[in-house]
Amino acid sequence: DAKTTQPTSMDCAEGRAANLPCNHSTISGNEYVYWYRQIHSQGPQYIIHGLKNNETNEMASLIITEDRKSSTLILPHATLRDTAVYYCIVRVYNFNKFYFGSGTKLNVKP
Amino acid sequence: NAGVTQTPKFQVLKTGQSMTLQCAQDMNHNSMYWYRQDPGMGLRLIYYSASEGTTDKGEVPNGYNVSRLNKREFSLRLESAAPSQTSVYFCASSEEIGRGGYTFGSGTRLTVV
Repeated sequence: DAKTTQPTSMDCAEGRAANLPCNHSTISGNEYVYWYRQIHSQGPQYIIHGLKNNETNEMASLIITEDRKSSTLILPHATLRDTAVYYCIVRVYNFNKFYFGSGTKLNVKP
Repeated sequence: NAGVTQTPKFQVLKTGQSMTLQCAQDMNHNSMYWYRQDPGMGLRLIYYSASEGTTDKGEVPNGYNVSRLNKREFSLRLESAAPSQTSVYFCASSEEIGRGGYTFGSGTRLTVV
């Protein structure tokens, strides 16, 4: 799996969009970008994934640059319950194991 | 729909004791995994099972054994617990290879004294 780089922590005001960046400059053509989050004392929660096109679901949007070397997870209207550690993971689509790094601690403030 | 269920939620062991962590999923997923999470670190893969009847080592398998009992259940055994195995353990499952995200259990907090 390609290595990813994320900021250690970020702050966001409640109700505003939270934009979490991830750098994956060594990504291969067949590797997907996945995002998970972990709220304190709970198991990780899957958010979204994509290959090259931008993706959106009920939780978030994923924007992948044209060269695929970086991506941004967007939480459109952050709430206090979105305070968590967010993990960006890059892996081959059909390879069934992957590793989590240290992630970004998102602090949503009132 | 319970998803991934782990038992127990908390456990304290003495050094040298053994125990088995249980994991069951009700989503008909083929693949299952065990991770450990230590303070300040991400999740590290201990063992995984790509399908029923198969198991493989992950990043940190030493001191652990696993059993894929059937399609639903994947257990993790500590034969002789050590303080270094104090951690939070997560079980996860996924669909057919490469489809969608992983579903995680709520974790087992294990302390070895």
